[in-house]
Amino acid sequence: DIQMTQSPSSLSASVGDRVTITCRASQSISNYLNWYQQRPGKAPRFLIYAASSLQSGVPSRFSGSGSGTDFTLTISSLQPEDFATYYCQQSYSTPPTFGQGTKVEIK
Amino acid sequence: QVQLQQSGPGLVKPSQTLSLTCAISGDSVSSNSAAWNWIRQSPSRGLEWLGRTYFRSKWYNDFAVSVKSRITINPDTSKNQFSLQLNSVTPEDTAVYYCARCNRCVAQGIISFFDYWGQGTLVTVSS
Repeated sequence: DIQMTQSPSSLSASVGDRVTITCRASQSISNYLNWYQQRPGKAPRFLIYAASSLQSGVPSRFSGSGSGTDFTLTISSLQPEDFATYYCQQSYSTPPTFGQGTKVEIK
Repeated sequence: QVQLQQSGPGLVKPSQTLSLTCAISGDSVSSNSAAWNWIRQSPSRGLEWLGRTYFRSKWYNDFAVSVKSRITINPDTSKNQFSLQLNSVTPEDTAVYYCARCNRCVAQGIISFFDYWGQGTLVTVSS
């Protein structure tokens, strides 16, 4: 199975801050990388596919980049509703696997 | 708009069978481009994909190795839903269980993703 490792595990930030989350795959996955947001008590919400393509309806302050083994999710200006846990997921091979999550907390 | 509505008990006794159902609206369980998945989430395992069912001229299933001997996922075309059965459960199977649609799934060279999720069901395995 492909292992996905996110860093940091958590971070504290203020409204308006620029936030970057990193995801690393245990082997090359090209751009078969998706990002999800999960608020407490809710199901994950699909944000980004193919490493950098924004799902319809997702605010443009979210962006993704990367290819191969290293990927990033950036929130350009953190909003109150963005405080949540973020997960990366590879769809390069079966089984699909997720990172352990990065919790974005209010400073 | 696709919606997935989960149902099933929240408490299962050890050694018994966990059973959940996911009713689909806005799409078809027989879709030729989607796959219908079960994913669980626990503090110890994180988000863990369990398996999927999909139709590509005939029905297919794929399962995670960790549960392959204990899991069944069945489509029900008459009710447009799919189900999860996990046998011989232990407290380690305690988790929030989600159903999810994988869009553009099981196609060579196409990036797939989980775009719609059920609301989640907390299943506790305890006597």
